[in-house]
Amino acid sequence: SQQGEEDPQALSIQEGENATMNCSYKTSINNLQWYRQNSGRGLVHLILIRSNEREKHSGRLRVTLDTSKKSSSLLITASRAADTASYFCATDANAGGTSYGKLTFGQGTILTVHP
Amino acid sequence: ETGVTQTPRHLVMGMTNKKSLKCEQHLGHNAMYWYKQSAKKPLELMFVYNFKEQTENNSVPSRFSPECPNSSHLFLHLHTLQPEDSALYLCASSPNQGGVRETQYFGPGTRLLVL
Repeated sequence: SQQGEEDPQALSIQEGENATMNCSYKTSINNLQWYRQNSGRGLVHLILIRSNEREKHSGRLRVTLDTSKKSSSLLITASRAADTASYFCATDANAGGTSYGKLTFGQGTILTVHP
Repeated sequence: ETGVTQTPRHLVMGMTNKKSLKCEQHLGHNAMYWYKQSAKKPLELMFVYNFKEQTENNSVPSRFSPECPNSSHLFLHLHTLQPEDSALYLCASSPNQGGVRETQYFGPGTRLLVL
């Protein structure tokens, strides 16, 4: 089974509302990252949270990490139509030097923000 | 723009063709990656190169052959592909400095269709 699993698979909201996406993982990690992908394009890094951090903010983004539950959440506040995209969590497993750079991605949450 | 370019952006090939995908990063990074993104599947890591050396081959069939002539360029040579290989192929790079886990910067991808 995959390391990162996002929930929900799809989320549809109105502009101005908040959007919350969750990610669960299975193994010990060094960090967890969130990426965004516009349709058919490359991924863009949003935010990285390390295993010893519990919460991190970047603009309208707020990420939390609960290592005891092996879960993370991404909150987008005051959403805009331009936030419409797929959002992925990716985990950097704590598996030693040979696993350097080996991110494991979840299946993603498709967010649609209606104007 | 993320500083990672990929060519071509779209490619249609027959199962007997030989083609190559090219990735170039202008960020001075030392690690480069190939990913495959199929519909309704998580992003799959294919290959990792650190300082031009392949450090990860994620059980990829031999009909995919990577080449990394220097830290700025990465190729994926394709030969006798199958229709199920149709996907978005994404290249990424990361700094790989100091042993600290880092974010990855993605190119826009090559949309491949195998007929």
